[in-house]
Amino acid sequence: DTAVSQTPKYLVTQMGNDKSIKCEQNLGHDTMYWYKQDSKKFLKIMFSYNNKELIINETVPNRFSPKSPDKAHLNLHINSLELGDSAVYFCASAGTGVSGANVLTFGAGSRLTVL
Amino acid sequence: AQKVTQAQTEISVVEKEDVTLDCVYETRDTTYYLFWYKQPPSGELVFLIRRNSFDEQNEISGRYSWNFQKSTSSFNFTITASQVVDSAVYFCALLRDSNYQLIWGAGTKLIIKP
Repeated sequence: DTAVSQTPKYLVTQMGNDKSIKCEQNLGHDTMYWYKQDSKKFLKIMFSYNNKELIINETVPNRFSPKSPDKAHLNLHINSLELGDSAVYFCASAGTGVSGANVLTFGAGSRLTVL
Repeated sequence: AQKVTQAQTEISVVEKEDVTLDCVYETRDTTYYLFWYKQPPSGELVFLIRRNSFDEQNEISGRYSWNFQKSTSSFNFTITASQVVDSAVYFCALLRDSNYQLIWGAGTKLIIKP
């Protein structure tokens, strides 16, 4: 019973294509995130939504567009893929409350390879 | 400015040795949270610990222990009697109170040799 699930786990595509990565969490969390991890393992936040509202929108090319149809889902769509987009993309969610506040639960990651 | 520094890029030790991973943070906030996450070779990110700025008690969980010292702005992580399964990249992170954004360190790659 996966808490944060991302699909697909692996994605290989050609430059210029458009692709999407889906994320769903069944933890009842209010906040969801997309992170990009490059080859040097550096984690960079891209977007965050709280109850379907965009709250963090880092300096990311506008080819990247998040969509949150409801608070359990946060999808990432990427247009006109470039070689530099190759990375592992992590979805995460975080709850509220004293014990669980701001503890991110991550998905398994989606490895995107652009050829 | 908020910042997290993990000065050790890579550490390699032989199994059963103790090893400490350093984390130094910068913040002007009085209320904040500190985290450690583990990323094993399989790639997932696993939560290890959260500590708030008002709780300076050291934490021990099995072979893992954490030393939080506000005086030196450090939140170091020690693994006692290391095992090969501890091999991973370990990330330290800082969160401001009432903020949704974690500030991540660059990670320390820990290699435990048999």
